[in-house]
Amino acid sequence: ELKVEQNPLFLSMQEGKNYTIYCNYSTTSDRLYWYRQDPGKSLESLFVLLSNGAVKQEGRLMASLDTKARLSTLHITAAVHDLSATYFCAVAKTHSGAGSYQLTFGKGTKLSVIP
Amino acid sequence: DVKVTQSSRYLVKRTGEKVFLECVQDMDHENMFWYRQDPGLGLRLIYFSYDVKMKEKGDIPEGYSVSREKKERFSLILESASTNQTSMYLCASSSGRPQETQYFGPGTRLLVL
Repeated sequence: ELKVEQNPLFLSMQEGKNYTIYCNYSTTSDRLYWYRQDPGKSLESLFVLLSNGAVKQEGRLMASLDTKARLSTLHITAAVHDLSATYFCAVAKTHSGAGSYQLTFGKGTKLSVIP
Repeated sequence: DVKVTQSSRYLVKRTGEKVFLECVQDMDHENMFWYRQDPGLGLRLIYFSYDVKMKEKGDIPEGYSVSREKKERFSLILESASTNQTSMYLCASSSGRPQETQYFGPGTRLLVL
């Protein structure tokens, strides 16, 4: 059974600081997705990481994937208040015979950026 | 832009009622998913469908069923609602191509009294 563990689950940081969210998973997968969720809203896709060593960056967020270590990181640079949200990682499991995949989500990291 | 819509944003039902949650996507996606989201538990997959009339159980299918009669529409059915099914329900769709993400609807917050 695939298990996905995020840490920390809660993160309070000051504006301007850097921090990293970690996502570990228990079985082999070469695809990982990061999402953002604002309070009362649905999930918005941030990054799709498709291979070992993949790195994607968008603004102050950078995500990477190490499939050998079964670890993905989401690094926040010089945080601003607008980044306050809950961040989820999700690991793909291919559904055999159908060419589709299902996702197993971590529990999410609630990030609060304090001015 | 991909659009995934859900029939209700908020729903209040009584224990024992049959509840239908509808999801429609407009991107001709093969795959559709139903999740529930609970505080501290993240998102958990209830059912998914990779083709019309096809369905697969996810991690927590008990107490739920699904229907997919048309490609764009995926329904979640609570046969006899119970209070422990009070939750946020999220529908998603995807093309199935690995480089594409799953796209989520706005969610239905269901309260079962």
